[in-house]
Amino acid sequence: DIQMTQSPSSLSASVGDRVTITCRASQSISRYLIWYQLKPGKAPKLLIYAASSLQSGVPSRFSGSGSGTDFTLTISSLQPEDFATYFCQQSHSTPWTFGQGTKVEIK
Amino acid sequence: EVQLVESGGVVIQTGGSLRLSCAASGFIFNDFTMHWVRQAPGKGLEWVSLINWDGGTTYYADSVKGRFTISRDNSKNSLYLQMNSLGTEDTALYYCAKEEKVASSVGYSYYYYLDVWGKGTTVTVSS
Repeated sequence: DIQMTQSPSSLSASVGDRVTITCRASQSISRYLIWYQLKPGKAPKLLIYAASSLQSGVPSRFSGSGSGTDFTLTISSLQPEDFATYFCQQSHSTPWTFGQGTKVEIK
Repeated sequence: EVQLVESGGVVIQTGGSLRLSCAASGFIFNDFTMHWVRQAPGKGLEWVSLINWDGGTTYYADSVKGRFTISRDNSKNSLYLQMNSLGTEDTALYYCAKEEKVASSVGYSYYYYLDVWGKGTTVTVSS
């Protein structure tokens, strides 16, 4: 199985900060990398697919980059509604696997 | 509006069986592969299973293989997860999700992702 390692596991940031979350795959997954946002009591939300394609309706402050084994999710200017947990996931091969998550908290 | 609504989660004893359901609306259900994903309390997301549009292809995580069965009824726009021999490790919030794909610019391949999720249904397995 492909292992996905996310870092950091949590971070504290202020509104307006630039936030970067990284995800590393245990083997090359090309651009089969997806980012989701989770909030308690809500359905998970797709942010980025194919490593860097922004899902329709997602604010442009979210961006993704990378290919192969190393990927990044960037929030260019953190907004109050962005405090949540973020997960990366690979769809290169089954079983699809997720990173352990990054909780973004208010500083 | 595209929507997925899970149901069937309960508190159940170890060794028991349970069937989860997911009702789909707002899209042509039988055009899409569907997935189950779970999140144990305080843990990350774990992919559980997928089923293709006609039910002819299924995949399972090793942790549930031989115990869980995914199925669908396209006439009812519904997805199911039959869960047998439940253990405490199966305690989780279970989500159903719709798969989408987009063509890759290289070759004849697609990028796959889960573009619509439900809010989940909670399964608690107690000993």
